Amino acid sequence: GDSVTQMEGPVTLSEEAFLTINCTYTATGYPSLFWYVQYPGEGLQLLLKATKADDKGSNKGFEATYRKETTSFHLEKGSVQVSDSAVYFCASESGGGADGLTFGKGTHLIIQP
Amino acid sequence: EAGVVQSPRYKIIEKKQPVAFWCNPISGHNTLYWYRQNLGQGPELLIRYENEEAVDDSQLPKDRFSAERLKGVDSTLKIQPAELGDSAVYLCASSLVAVRTEAFFGQGTRLTVV
Repeated sequence: GDSVTQMEGPVTLSEEAFLTINCTYTATGYPSLFWYVQYPGEGLQLLLKATKADDKGSNKGFEATYRKETTSFHLEKGSVQVSDSAVYFCASESGGGADGLTFGKGTHLIIQP
Repeated sequence: EAGVVQSPRYKIIEKKQPVAFWCNPISGHNTLYWYRQNLGQGPELLIRYENEEAVDDSQLPKDRFSAERLKGVDSTLKIQPAELGDSAVYLCASSLVAVRTEAFFGQGTRLTVV
């Protein structure tokens, strides 16, 4: 079955620093890829997605590019803010949604002022 | 528009007791998922519904877990009897049948079995 591996946290950065959270996947076929975010006290929210190779998903200043050759979907942001502090989950989905989402373990991001 | 609603938010029970979780998906969403999230882990799929039909329940521990989705709207997930290892956050999510790849999650129910 599918699996997703993402860098372990916590990741602590200063405000305005550059962010990268690594994510790699294994899957049969060509899955869709996602980043979900969970802010304190809230449910999981879709941050961005990409459904085919070389697609770039973006939202709220975050970006991730679907790299089939390296089976990766790394999350990046050029200048983080304190409000970006949250837990970030990388996820894959094969079978057009029939198999549900396969999540990584999550990366806790802490941004210090 | 209201999102996915789950209740209760928190539940503490003694082992061997039964417990039930309720989920109301986004209006018009025909696909409903139940996930379990253990501490420090990502969510794992338990069961998926298309309308009222359970189309993937291979990860549901059927000896003690059961789920239903009457009339293809609200859903309940039940554990009977609960074990210490069932302590986790239980998440409900929903999506449009035609756009299965975008799932919307509820806030979850945090279950503690003592």
